[in-house]
Amino acid sequence: EFVLTQSPATLSLSPGERAILSCRASQSISNYLVWYQQKPGQAPRLLIYDASNRATGVPARFSGSGSGTDFTLAISSLEPEDSAVYYCQQRRTWPPSFGQGTRLEIK
Amino acid sequence: EVQLVQSGAEVKKPGESLKISCKGSGYSFTTYWIGWVRQMPGKGLEWMGIIYPGDSETRYSPSFQGQVSISVDKSISTAYLQWSSLKASDTAIHYCGRLAVAPAPSPALAKNYYYYFMDVWGTGTTVAVSS
Repeated sequence: EFVLTQSPATLSLSPGERAILSCRASQSISNYLVWYQQKPGQAPRLLIYDASNRATGVPARFSGSGSGTDFTLAISSLEPEDSAVYYCQQRRTWPPSFGQGTRLEIK
Repeated sequence: EVQLVQSGAEVKKPGESLKISCKGSGYSFTTYWIGWVRQMPGKGLEWMGIIYPGDSETRYSPSFQGQVSISVDKSISTAYLQWSSLKASDTAIHYCGRLAVAPAPSPALAKNYYYYFMDVWGTGTTVAVSS
């Protein structure tokens, strides 16, 4: 079973700042890592797949990196609408598993 | 526009049965796997299972095997998630989603060219189970 651990649990930043969210896998998942954004009361939205590929329509300020066990989602120049919970998910094996999420608050 | 529209919120008692739905539109429903994800109140996300509408092949996460049933009616582009006897612990938001695909050499092989992540999500169905 692949366990994903996200850090920090909560991040509070101001508009215009840069956010760095981390996701660590319990064992190597190559680059089979996906990031989703979930705003309150909404379904998750696909942001990044295969560690670094932005999904259609995702702004360029979102970027992903990493391979093996350590992954990062970076959001440059934060905007108020980036306030959400961000989940990573491994797609390496069945069943896929999610991290517990990082809550990003925009001050 | 690709859409997955789910059925409305449900309030049920323990022991009752329930079937919720997920209707796809704007794409070839039979050639994309559909998955179901659970989100318990204030908690994270969990994969429950997936189904291929083209032939109804189904796969369940071990945690949900025997607890729920996933089915599909491809004639109306609708997937279902069903419980035969609800428990209070089934209280959650349930999302359906379309699994992303890779280009297939031919339509007949589309079933095998998919990834374990969702590129389109449904609207979500809240299920509340309480006596």
